[in-house]
Amino acid sequence: EAGVAQSPRYKIIEKRQSVAFWCNPISGHATLYWYQQILGQGPKLLIQFQNNGVVDDSQLPKDRFSAERLKGVDSTLKIQPAKLEDSAVYLCASSPGPAGNEQFFGPGTRLTVL
Amino acid sequence: GQQLNQSPQSMFIQEGEDVSMNCTSSSIFNTWLWYKQDPGEGPVLLIALYKAGELTSNGRLTAQFGITRKDSFLNISASIPSDVGIYFCAGSGTYKYIFGTGTRLKVLA
Repeated sequence: EAGVAQSPRYKIIEKRQSVAFWCNPISGHATLYWYQQILGQGPKLLIQFQNNGVVDDSQLPKDRFSAERLKGVDSTLKIQPAKLEDSAVYLCASSPGPAGNEQFFGPGTRLTVL
Repeated sequence: GQQLNQSPQSMFIQEGEDVSMNCTSSSIFNTWLWYKQDPGEGPVLLIALYKAGELTSNGRLTAQFGITRKDSFLNISASIPSDVGIYFCAGSGTYKYIFGTGTRLKVLA
């Protein structure tokens, strides 16, 4: 069974530029998560989707971050405009259902903002 | 955002030694997950726990769901060099997971 796919794996941009990340979850997984992982810390939840609806986006900086999960499968996370402090690894994860289920991660996208 | 406390923060051990680490929360959880993350990779799920007091093994790894439901423990027996990495716990009470601060494990051959 294919795992969670993410692209790109690496991205370098200058501050104030825009960037987008893509995630394809494990087939059949209804719940999709985007996490931000700053160096030396554990993943921090940015947004959680159940099918194509948002369950939690309380920690998403909505003035610059946006995410969508059209058709309840793939998802994109966008940052516009990027700040230096956005440099981090952006991890996508999926699970068959809401938390309480096993959650599987993709390889992540390492973003560097210069 | 909230993160769970993991202890120890980092440890050096000799190959062949047993390792113990734990994760504590101020909240009660219904599910605990343990992950290992290698450099440049996403976390890989090691063990899932669903019931207070549950003890589950995966090869040389054993994890326990604390009776109070506010903590969990991970043990690695007879460590080998490939055990090097960062171990994260994640707990869930309702619909989302909260992650720990991580335990960085370094194994000396």
